[in-house]
Amino acid sequence: QITLKESGPTLVKPTQTLTLTCTFSGFSLSTSGVGVGWIRQPPGKALEWLALIYWDDAKRYSPSLKSRLTITKDTSKNQVVLTMTSVDPVDTATYYCAHRPFFRGVITGPFDYWGQGTLVTVSS
Amino acid sequence: QSVLTQPPSVSGAPGQRVTISCTGSSSNIGARFDVHWYQQLPGTAPKLLIYGNSNRPSGVPGRFSGSKSGTSASLAVTGLQAEDEADYYCQSYDSSLSAYVFGTGTKVTVL
Repeated sequence: QITLKESGPTLVKPTQTLTLTCTFSGFSLSTSGVGVGWIRQPPGKALEWLALIYWDDAKRYSPSLKSRLTITKDTSKNQVVLTMTSVDPVDTATYYCAHRPFFRGVITGPFDYWGQGTLVTVSS
Repeated sequence: QSVLTQPPSVSGAPGQRVTISCTGSSSNIGARFDVHWYQQLPGTAPKLLIYGNSNRPSGVPGRFSGSKSGTSASLAVTGLQAEDEADYYCQSYDSSLSAYVFGTGTKVTVL
């Protein structure tokens, strides 16, 4: 059974760095083709993909946020960490991490298991 | 600003059929990248509903179906039920952006 859970601060001040941790179970991030992604959703708005890390440590980032994001993994701890620098009130959102299985190649797979999400508010 | 466009809302009476469109371009859906659909019930995380354009994960009712043609995809819900009232999102990959992209989202209301 695959589960994921996000953790991190609920309140961050503008210009600070946000660090979120995704702790998962039921799969290994060293299995070929597997990935873990981060997706966020501002209140009342649509989903926005942020970043994804693959089993081989390859990384992909949203072009619009690439300069502010870093995604890393710790396979031994079953964790994926996302850092976002220079946060702004527009970064207020629920942040989700999700499992990405191998499906018809390493690019086209869905996000099949999601964490419950963690609401992060950016405010002074 | 999403590259996948969905209607903001659709509605139907219980038992009716509704469809949600997802319009992309030649760099995503038209480039033969798979389309996936998610259902998000109020206050909960998204749930995978359809993957690989038309496949249902185990446990998803058969009244949900997906299709894809050209630069668009569609999600159909037949025999609409009150519990289907939720937000629905399509998702694909865009080769021009080198990014995973989500649709703008559609709210389904059961009248």
